[in-house]
Amino acid sequence: NAGVTQTPKFRVLKTGQSMTLLCAQDMNHEYMYWYRQDPGMGLRLIHYSVGEGTTAKGEVPDGYNVSRLKKQNFLLGLESAAPSQTSVYFCASDRQGRGYEQYFGPGTRLTVT
Amino acid sequence: TQLLEQSPQFLSIQEGENLTVYCNSSSVFSSLQWYRQEPGEGPVLLVTVVTGGEVKKLKRLTFQFGDARKDSSLHITAAQPGDTGLYLCAVLPYNAGNMLTFGGGTRLMVKP
Repeated sequence: NAGVTQTPKFRVLKTGQSMTLLCAQDMNHEYMYWYRQDPGMGLRLIHYSVGEGTTAKGEVPDGYNVSRLKKQNFLLGLESAAPSQTSVYFCASDRQGRGYEQYFGPGTRLTVT
Repeated sequence: TQLLEQSPQFLSIQEGENLTVYCNSSSVFSSLQWYRQEPGEGPVLLVTVVTGGEVKKLKRLTFQFGDARKDSSLHITAAQPGDTGLYLCAVLPYNAGNMLTFGGGTRLMVKP
């Protein structure tokens, strides 16, 4: 049982490049989340999904897009990366939402130069 | 200003010492969670407190939810190097739907 996995673990992008981060969970959870973590600011929610085919904006959605075509996968896209998007990105999932208990992946460290 | 303020931001202590870290807000919450995040990993839920004044214990860790449900503390007794990590508190504000809000965290280092 792998829980929540994220690929890639590390990535360096040049300003203006695009990329997609993949999150996969094998716990059959309905809810999935993408966060970014910056020093001293805790975790901030980018987008989330309450089920297959549905997505919603979080606290800091600008510059990101998401898709949830399959229940187990949640993709985070950066269409035109900016240095301000340098961060560590975490995916999480939970069974019933409402802050029940979120399970986090190991993170992706992204640097935009 | 952040909804949740955690203090101190950094704490470095020797093995065997006791410590308390705090999570404060001016808002009232129905529940509050504490997570621990080890270097290079994602956060892991330690506890959820839901009742004002509630105290929960997890081995050497004691969590308390304030009577007014606006703040919480985490006390560690006889800290060990394995307690090193980032401690985050999180709440679900009443009008936030499914969006957890996290504090900035307390980074704890326990030296052998």
